[in-house]
Amino acid sequence: DQQVKQNSPSLSVQEGRISILNCDYTNSMFDYFLWYKKYPAEGPTFLISISSIKDKNEDGRFTVFLNKSAKHLSLHIVPSQPGDSAVYFCAAISSGSARQLTFGSGTQLTVLP
Amino acid sequence: DAGITQSPRHKVTETGTPVTLRCHQTENHRYMYWYRQDPGHGLRLIHYSYGVKDTDKGEVSDGYSVSRSKTEDFLLTLESATSSQTSVYFCAISESAGGNTGELFFGEGSRLTVL
Repeated sequence: DQQVKQNSPSLSVQEGRISILNCDYTNSMFDYFLWYKKYPAEGPTFLISISSIKDKNEDGRFTVFLNKSAKHLSLHIVPSQPGDSAVYFCAAISSGSARQLTFGSGTQLTVLP
Repeated sequence: DAGITQSPRHKVTETGTPVTLRCHQTENHRYMYWYRQDPGHGLRLIHYSYGVKDTDKGEVSDGYSVSRSKTEDFLLTLESATSSQTSVYFCAISESAGGNTGELFFGEGSRLTVL
């Protein structure tokens, strides 16, 4: 049973518009959430994160929102650029000593010029 | 870029043969991980290491073993490869457990095809 779910396998957005990628989770023990970005033939790279004590974290064009009551987080990219085209993975860490990441299945974002 | 090297980058093998993937880091990070990436499943943890000779199982450890005899090297072994182990394998490193705040540094991946 997937504890971190990305229900949209793909998303296409026009350059300059907003991209919104969504992620849902089921484990109430998750206390830290992250987004990773992956280009073809490369390893994933860390993009942005948010602690469960916050509801928003912003870094340049990227903003992550967390709604704990809905167990939902989203990544907003404004404005979207063609170079943002990649697979985006949502991930979460459970409180406790192990603190291993649980990843979602990923969303392929395509930004059209 | 974090100094992580995976080898081989590509391998084709036959069912039943042993396969070893190597991850080498130059960052002196304590934690090392092996993940596999499959369509529809994202990244799943196979095994991880929290120090030399200290390893533990992840979510999908069946059919895999690991060894870490030196800080810089983490080996993933498929004793008898099966077609279900066809995947892209990623090594990752972090200074603390789960990167403490989740920031892992990944290698470029090893694509394994089992015929």
